[in-house]
Amino acid sequence: EPEVTQTPSHQVTQMGQEVILRCVPISNHLYFYWYRQILGQKVEFLVSFYNNEISEKSEIFDDQFSVERPDGSNFTLKIRSTKLEDSAMYFCASPRGRNEETQYFGPGTRLLVL
Amino acid sequence: SQQGEEDPQALSIQEGENATMNCSYKTSINNLQWYRQNSGRGLVHLILIRSNEREKHSGRLRVTLDTSKKSSSLLITASRAADTASYFCATDAKGAGSYQLTFGKGTKLSVIP
Repeated sequence: EPEVTQTPSHQVTQMGQEVILRCVPISNHLYFYWYRQILGQKVEFLVSFYNNEISEKSEIFDDQFSVERPDGSNFTLKIRSTKLEDSAMYFCASPRGRNEETQYFGPGTRLLVL
Repeated sequence: SQQGEEDPQALSIQEGENATMNCSYKTSINNLQWYRQNSGRGLVHLILIRSNEREKHSGRLRVTLDTSKKSSSLLITASRAADTASYFCATDAKGAGSYQLTFGKGTKLSVIP
């Protein structure tokens, strides 16, 4: 199966700090997604990204969140001022192309906000 | 209630037995996908079934889809200890330009050696 990679695997931060989560999607993919999973809960959609701009976002994705693709390969999720409730696993996903339904997920970044 | 609800929430079986997990959803879908997640790890795609398909097989996996009942089932035959994981169904919701997935809460499967 094609591989999506994410760094770091774990991150611990203090409340109010900024964090940047990184993803390297499968090459030549067009759509990129971020999801999160709070411990013991379901996986939730955050945002989709296409052609260097946000395609869609959920209610969770408020002004504290931003995404970008700074260098054409990495795909980042930034949380400007973390809150305790941002503690979760964050997953990056990408399909093969615009009409590809299967989304391949990365291994996730476990974020802990203290 | 939520799109993509699985049942049972937890299932414990002996190695070699079959495991059946169910998923119900509320809205119309283009497809339904099943994913596996080992504890604290990423999501591994298992199988996708489109709305015009009724059954699909992949190795020891068999997925059915009943769009009239808005439900799907995942059958794992001849289970192994390595199948121990959480299993999630996910439905697509094609928005303005992307296929965002809506996940259920999952079924936690334990296969006892």
